[in-house]
Amino acid sequence: DQQVKQNSPSLSVQEGRISILNCDYTNSMFDYFLWYKKYPAEGPTFLISISSIKDKNEDGRFTVFLNKSAKHLSLHIVPSQPGDSAVYFCAASEVTDKLIFGTGTRLQVFP
Amino acid sequence: SAVISQKPSRDICQRGTSLTIQCQVDSQVTMMFWYRQQPGQSLTLIATANQGSEATYESGFVIDKFPISRPNLTFSTLTVSNMSPEDSSIYLCSVSIAGGAAEQFFGPGTRLTVL
Repeated sequence: DQQVKQNSPSLSVQEGRISILNCDYTNSMFDYFLWYKKYPAEGPTFLISISSIKDKNEDGRFTVFLNKSAKHLSLHIVPSQPGDSAVYFCAASEVTDKLIFGTGTRLQVFP
Repeated sequence: SAVISQKPSRDICQRGTSLTIQCQVDSQVTMMFWYRQQPGQSLTLIATANQGSEATYESGFVIDKFPISRPNLTFSTLTVSNMSPEDSSIYLCSVSIAGGAAEQFFGPGTRLTVL
């Protein structure tokens, strides 16, 4: 039972364009959502988060959008840079509970 | 944030043996967690390491297979016991600074291969 799903295993985007990574969840009790970035041979690095009381959170080039009615969130990276090439995981929690991770999307940004 | 180190960074072990993975944090933290990432899979929470008491295990994980210690607020160990090739994974520890389980910060991971 995969409560957090990232249906696109990979995404390829040209440098300077927008990268959109998607995530769907099934548990309506989730009220906090996070995105992590992972480079090979490193642990995941926290990127950005959003509470369920918001529908958008922005931090520099990174924006996360939350659509609670659709149980869907997305991460927008604009402009995309080659250094953004990594695996991106979305995660969800009930604030004081454990994190449930998606299966990840491998983003490749090419020149 | 916190600086988290893990030892060893990688190991190759024989079936039936055990490996203890160490996690050290540069500051006192309330909550520490252990995750497993099997090849091509997501991160799965093994257990929450509780200081001064027994760890809290997730469904599918048991103390006999994955004993955990947490002697203080900056250190924890995870042992993978009686290993089989199915235990080949990346094992990661994480900490929560702000309290609760959200916004966890991860160590670099330990890549375990069991032959």
